[in-house]
Amino acid sequence: GQQVMQIPQYQHVQEGEDFTTYCNSSTTLSNIQWYKQRPGGHPVFLIQLVKSGEVKKQKRLTFQFGEAKKNSSLHITATQTTDVGTYFCAGPGNQGGKLIFGQGTELSVKP
Amino acid sequence: DTEVTQTPKHLVMGMTNKKSLKCEQHMGHRAMYWYKQKAKKPPELMFVYSYEKLSINESVPSRFSPECPNSSLLNLHLHALQPEDSALYLCASSQRLGGNGDLAPQHFGDGTRLSIL
Repeated sequence: GQQVMQIPQYQHVQEGEDFTTYCNSSTTLSNIQWYKQRPGGHPVFLIQLVKSGEVKKQKRLTFQFGEAKKNSSLHITATQTTDVGTYFCAGPGNQGGKLIFGQGTELSVKP
Repeated sequence: DTEVTQTPKHLVMGMTNKKSLKCEQHMGHRAMYWYKQKAKKPPELMFVYSYEKLSINESVPSRFSPECPNSSLLNLHLHALQPEDSALYLCASSQRLGGNGDLAPQHFGDGTRLSIL
């Protein structure tokens, strides 16, 4: 079945350090979404990437979609304690509306 | 604050009980979803409704019964659940269902934390 692999599973950083999480698919993705879930919270939509090689920025967050549309990354510059949470990528499934989530990367930030 | 409201926030029930989870959105979204999420895992899709009709059932056991009374409401009726059904149940909505690989951003509620004794 369709799968979106996400690494690493956990990342512990010192505040101020950078952080990156990666998603890979064996098949070409028409688009990819990123969500953030704070501890005890619910997933919150961050961004959607559609175009090959697309790069989008949201303040300290940089999202990239690979040229082959099979991989994507989220990079956070100079992490802050407010960045703590689990970051999920999600690609389209084989039916309308179906999201295939990656396993998520749990980020902890030590002040 | 979330624009998708779920009640109750917490629910403890026995294996013989019948209960319902409720979800409401007033964003005019026409697609609504139920997910189950275990700790340290991604959300797992259960059901999708589009224009109040069931579009996807991910082979969910019949002890979970979804209902979409109108475009703003989504219910999940629970009966004879098992301890392994204890999880966070998330409702989400999106403007449209999407198709042919198209995706619409999904807006999630805070979820109902369900414990089965």
